Amino acid sequence: GNSVTQMEGPVTLSEEAFLTINCTYTATGYPSLFWYVQYPGEGLQLLLKATKADDKGSNKGFEATYRKETTSFHLEKGSVQVSDSAVYFCALRYTGRRALTFGSGTRLQVQP
Amino acid sequence: ETGVTQSPTHLIKTRGQQVTLRCSSQSGHNTVSWYQQALGQGPQFIFQYYREEENGRGNFPPRFSGLQFPNYSSELNVNALELDDSALYLCASGPRGEGENTEAFFGQGTRLTVV
Repeated sequence: GNSVTQMEGPVTLSEEAFLTINCTYTATGYPSLFWYVQYPGEGLQLLLKATKADDKGSNKGFEATYRKETTSFHLEKGSVQVSDSAVYFCALRYTGRRALTFGSGTRLQVQP
Repeated sequence: ETGVTQSPTHLIKTRGQQVTLRCSSQSGHNTVSWYQQALGQGPQFIFQYYREEENGRGNFPPRFSGLQFPNYSSELNVNALELDDSALYLCASGPRGEGENTEAFFGQGTRLTVV
């Protein structure tokens, strides 16, 4: 079956530090990959996506590259801000299905 | 254009009771999905509705059921509530012809507590 594994949190960083949140997946075929962000008390917002191997998704300074050879989709940001504090979810949409499969989430805490 | 709205925002029910959660999809969207997010976990897919019919279901028992109405709004019904049903329930809508590459827009969720 398909699954998504994320690094456990919380990840605590100082403002302007470099961020990496690891995500690996298991799936048959070629799923699309997504990063969603959940701010406190809110629903999920799509942060970025990539639909095929070697695609790079980017938004608001965040980037992630679809690596088929390592089945990974790590999230990176060069300089985090306090406002980036949230829970980040890696997800895939399995080919032929409409449901999103999520990882367990990684909480990011950015300190001033 | 309005976003995805869910009601109520919070709800407390007693074990064994039944509950109905509601979702209004974003304008122009005709596909609605429901997810259960337990505390500290990622969302788990419950089911999806397209054109008023169930169009995919996750690993949830039959006491989880749903409806979609002609205006594409949706309800999630849970019968015989159990303590483990306590969670944030998220609704997501998608545009016509939703496929693997289209975005799902999420509501803010309904926090259900079963006591």
